[in-house]
Amino acid sequence: EVQLVESGGGLVQPGRSLRLSCAASGFTFDDYAMHWVRQAPGKGLEWVSGISWNSGSIGYADSVKGRFTISRDNAKNSLYLQMNSLRAEDTALYYCAKDISSGYDSGGSFDYWGQGTLVTVSS
Amino acid sequence: SYELTQPLSVSVALGQTARITCGGNNIGSKNVHWYQQKPGQAPVLVIYRDSNRPSGIPERFSGSNSGNTATLTISRAQAGDEADYYCQVWDSSSLYVFGTGTKVTVL
Repeated sequence: EVQLVESGGGLVQPGRSLRLSCAASGFTFDDYAMHWVRQAPGKGLEWVSGISWNSGSIGYADSVKGRFTISRDNAKNSLYLQMNSLRAEDTALYYCAKDISSGYDSGGSFDYWGQGTLVTVSS
Repeated sequence: SYELTQPLSVSVALGQTARITCGGNNIGSKNVHWYQQKPGQAPVLVIYRDSNRPSGIPERFSGSNSGNTATLTISRAQAGDEADYYCQVWDSSSLYVFGTGTKVTVL
């Protein structure tokens, strides 16, 4: 059974940093691209970042480019999101999602999602 | 940037057919994926590449895509189909784009 478990969320002040993690199991992690998708309270889904199977290709939404860094450790079956210079508008539930293909930019769908970790940016 | 527009809400009588549209410039040339999200839950993929159903998704869910509109169709709607539905595409400049979301209510 595929499982994606996010952690690392919490309350943080504007301008500070936070690192999210996603532990994957139930599939061959290093065969697939992975993504972070967020959802602000009461709002829709927003793609944040994606990374290919071997970290060779990475992409970011314009809203987080230069502030967030995605990475993965295939030996640990884990995905990460380092979030710096956080803003109030980054407040959201952050989901980890598995791509159906190995390349993050293949245009494929996200076939498994975690339950999310909540990030609240407030003073 | 590429944008996807969905109706805010769609209502359907129990057992009838609901159609949820997703509008985008020449969306027919892109692969469209659809997700269902029930309150307090993570999204679930219900249609990928326009019209394909993942295993475990009922045949009542179907999709089509042409011109400037993609459509998710829910046949014989059930109370359990009440949820928010999002379309999604890949665009070379905007990368991954989600639609604005549609709340489906089964009456």
